[in-house]
Amino acid sequence: SQTIHQWPATLVQPVGSPLSLECTVEGTSNPNLYWYRQAAGRGLQLLFYSVGIGQISSEVPQNLSASRPQDRQFILSSKKLLLSDSGFYLCAWSLRRQGRAFFGQGTRLTVV
Amino acid sequence: GIQVEQSPPDLILQEGANSTLRCNFSDSVNNLQWFHQNPWGQLINLFYIPSGTKQNGRLSATTVATERYSLLYISSSQTTDSGVYFCAVGDDKIIFGKGTRLHILP
Repeated sequence: SQTIHQWPATLVQPVGSPLSLECTVEGTSNPNLYWYRQAAGRGLQLLFYSVGIGQISSEVPQNLSASRPQDRQFILSSKKLLLSDSGFYLCAWSLRRQGRAFFGQGTRLTVV
Repeated sequence: GIQVEQSPPDLILQEGANSTLRCNFSDSVNNLQWFHQNPWGQLINLFYIPSGTKQNGRLSATTVATERYSLLYISSSQTTDSGVYFCAVGDDKIIFGKGTRLHILP
């Protein structure tokens, strides 16, 4: 069966520090991979999605970037965090063009 | 891009009541999902329902793709049903609605 791992679960970082969140999927090949952000009490905003290695679609211009160095690994990064980067970050995977997403446990990021 | 609207934004019900949550989308879709986000933030897959009707216990969902909407029915609500319910559409690019926050009172 397929599983998705996302870490860390919580993170407190100072303004201006770098960020690296990692997500890996097991039990499937060539998945679509996603990063979403959820501000407190609000909906899920699609940040990035990838349909293959090196193929990253950015949905919202911002202080973040994503990379997919391996087929089942998706990394969310920032060189310098802003206070507005605080939120709940969720990684997800789906099979190509099937639109059925499965989510990791999420990372609660607080920028102080 | 496709727009996804959910209604109502908030719903407060007494335990045992029934509820209907709605998801409208602006363009034809091949895929639609319903999720429940629990108080710990975990997103739980409820239904994958691009068309037709499905039932799982006290929950059921209906998608009328030609009319661009989907409904989630919760019968005999329990306090554990509280949380936020999302619908999401898309093939590769998956877009979420803003959710319906459901609060079931004991």
